[in-house]
Amino acid sequence: KQEVTQIPAALSVPEGENLVLNCSFTDSAIYNLQWFRQDPGKGLTSLLLIQSSQREQTSGRLNASLDKSSGRSTLYIAASQPGDSATYLCAVRPPGTASKLTFGTGTRLQVTL
Amino acid sequence: GAVVSQHPSRVICKSGTSVKIECRSLDFQATTMFWYRQFPKQSLMLMATSNEGSKATYEQGVEKDKFLINHASLTLSTLTVTSAHPEDSSFYICSATAGLDGNTIYFGEGSWLTVV
Repeated sequence: KQEVTQIPAALSVPEGENLVLNCSFTDSAIYNLQWFRQDPGKGLTSLLLIQSSQREQTSGRLNASLDKSSGRSTLYIAASQPGDSATYLCAVRPPGTASKLTFGTGTRLQVTL
Repeated sequence: GAVVSQHPSRVICKSGTSVKIECRSLDFQATTMFWYRQFPKQSLMLMATSNEGSKATYEQGVEKDKFLINHASLTLSTLTVTSAHPEDSSFYICSATAGLDGNTIYFGEGSWLTVV
């Protein structure tokens, strides 16, 4: 059974800092990995999707990397802003046609002024 | 704007009653939708896969008679929590996939259920 873990569980940084969120998964047989953002009491917004054959994806200040063989992904946020405060979730999709996702435990990020 | 709409966003019901949550895909047809449950400060747990025109596929440990899922059209899936109890209080989120590869996943805004 796939298990996805994220560390740290919570993180507080001052505005402007660069930061890294970590995601690890136990079964390397994945189809892709996604990073999502969740604001309190809200749904999820997809940030980045990395296919199993890819090493990284970038979108603006966000960069996600994937090392499938070691079961790890990182989300790098450059020049953090208070608006980045949210919970970040990684999720892996298994091979096959079903888009079932297994979510990580999440990292709650607080960016302070 | 939202591409997946959930309704209601918040609902309070009495213990023993049933409550229905709707998940609609806007501007696209979703043959498959997913229902998740999320407890406070915890991650999302997949409850079931909702397939249009067929029975839902439930994850292990999820009571199918308690959490009734109906996917009668390509744009609507419903989750009915039957005979609700306080322990069913949670945040329920649906998602729908778009595109042939299923990589584009849209989530609803979620529904807070409180059973009193």
